[in-house]
Amino acid sequence: DPKIIQKPKYLVAVTGSEKILICEQYLGHNAMYWYRQSAKKPLEFMFSYSYQKLMDNQTASSRFQPQSSKKNHLDLQITALKPDDSATYFCASSQDRDNYAEQFFGPGTRLTVL
Amino acid sequence: GDSVTQTEGLVTLTEGLPVMLNCTYQSTYSPFLFWYVQHLNEAPKLLLKSFTDNKRPEHQGFHATLHKSSSSFHLQKSSAQLSDSALYYCALSHNAGAKLTFGGGTRLTVRP
Repeated sequence: DPKIIQKPKYLVAVTGSEKILICEQYLGHNAMYWYRQSAKKPLEFMFSYSYQKLMDNQTASSRFQPQSSKKNHLDLQITALKPDDSATYFCASSQDRDNYAEQFFGPGTRLTVL
Repeated sequence: GDSVTQTEGLVTLTEGLPVMLNCTYQSTYSPFLFWYVQHLNEAPKLLLKSFTDNKRPEHQGFHATLHKSSSSFHLQKSSAQLSDSALYYCALSHNAGAKLTFGGGTRLTVRP
């Protein structure tokens, strides 16, 4: 069974619209993260959460808003979508927000903005 | 700020030859270094990470040595296999936070 679930696997959106990317982890981890991978910037850190609290935000745009309704959930809401937002978005988790802890990545959501 | 540099974007090898993928880094702190591997259409997975006691990490025939003097953490394997074909990322994290800073990645292709 997959331990980190990301939904949907593929997503096509039109410019200006809003989408939510879903992430659930069943590893019992306390820290969760979002990363983005695109042709221009290969793996780029976006956010980190620990016990449902935002710990680090490296995304300049407020159009990207993480949402944690449960300890094992970390969704990503993206508003006013732009073609440059096209990328694969990976959710990851680790036991704790520890600089030495292994981060496990989900399968990703590939977003295409037309 | 932190940065990780992987000088080779593409490496093509013949099966059985040694592999060496370069990784150098810059960090204000004393970082931990990682190698992640990403096979086609899959998620990145941890391959190995530096030890706190400077032991050399090894996994699946790969090893890497952290050289603080040269800020390097090159990935090596004595004999490449076809199944090693993948995208390899070097990354670092440090005490100021658990976020991973990745290098640009090296795509390794192993040919028969």
